Amino acid sequence: AQSVTQPDIHITVSEGASLELRCNYSYGATPYLFWYVQSPGQGLQLLLKYFSGDTLVQGIKGFEAEFKRSQSSFNLRKPSVHWSDAAEYFCAVGGASGGSYIPTFGRGTSLIVHP
Amino acid sequence: DVKVTQSSRYLVKRTGEKVFLECVQDMDHENMFWYRQDPGLGLRLIYFSYDVKMKEKGDIPEGYSVSREKKERFSLILESASTNQTSMYLCASKKGSNQPQHFGDGTRLSIL
Repeated sequence: AQSVTQPDIHITVSEGASLELRCNYSYGATPYLFWYVQSPGQGLQLLLKYFSGDTLVQGIKGFEAEFKRSQSSFNLRKPSVHWSDAAEYFCAVGGASGGSYIPTFGRGTSLIVHP
Repeated sequence: DVKVTQSSRYLVKRTGEKVFLECVQDMDHENMFWYRQDPGLGLRLIYFSYDVKMKEKGDIPEGYSVSREKKERFSLILESASTNQTSMYLCASKKGSNQPQHFGDGTRLSIL
């Protein structure tokens, strides 16, 4: 069974500081990986996705993530955080074999940005 | 751009009422999903559908049913609403088995 762990429930950073949100997954085959962001009162918006190829993936809003198979990780990074990045972030894994229709989500990390 | 539209942003109902939450997507996606989101619990899958008139139970289907009569529309039904169904409900759709999901803005449902 696939699973996703986001170890940090809350992360607090200062505006302009760098950011790394952690995501660890468990999956028996090649995973498809996603990061979503949810602003207060909104649905989830896709930030980036990894299917194959280059392990460093660029997304929207200046975010990037790196797939590390040896560590079963897909951490999200941003070099300089803006106050508007304050939101909930979700990592998700989907199956690459067997045609899994259902991605599995982590419980989310809430990002707080101090001015 | 894909648009997933949920009929209501906020809804207040009474216990025992039958409640309908509607979701429409405009990109001919085969797969549609209903989640509920509660603080500390993340997204929990209630039901999903991979084709018209096809449905599968998710992790927490008790107290809910769904309907998919047309490809673009996926309805969530609370047969007899209870206070523990007060939550944020999110609808999503996606094209293929491993494509990302597209989400609606959510319906915040309060059962009094």
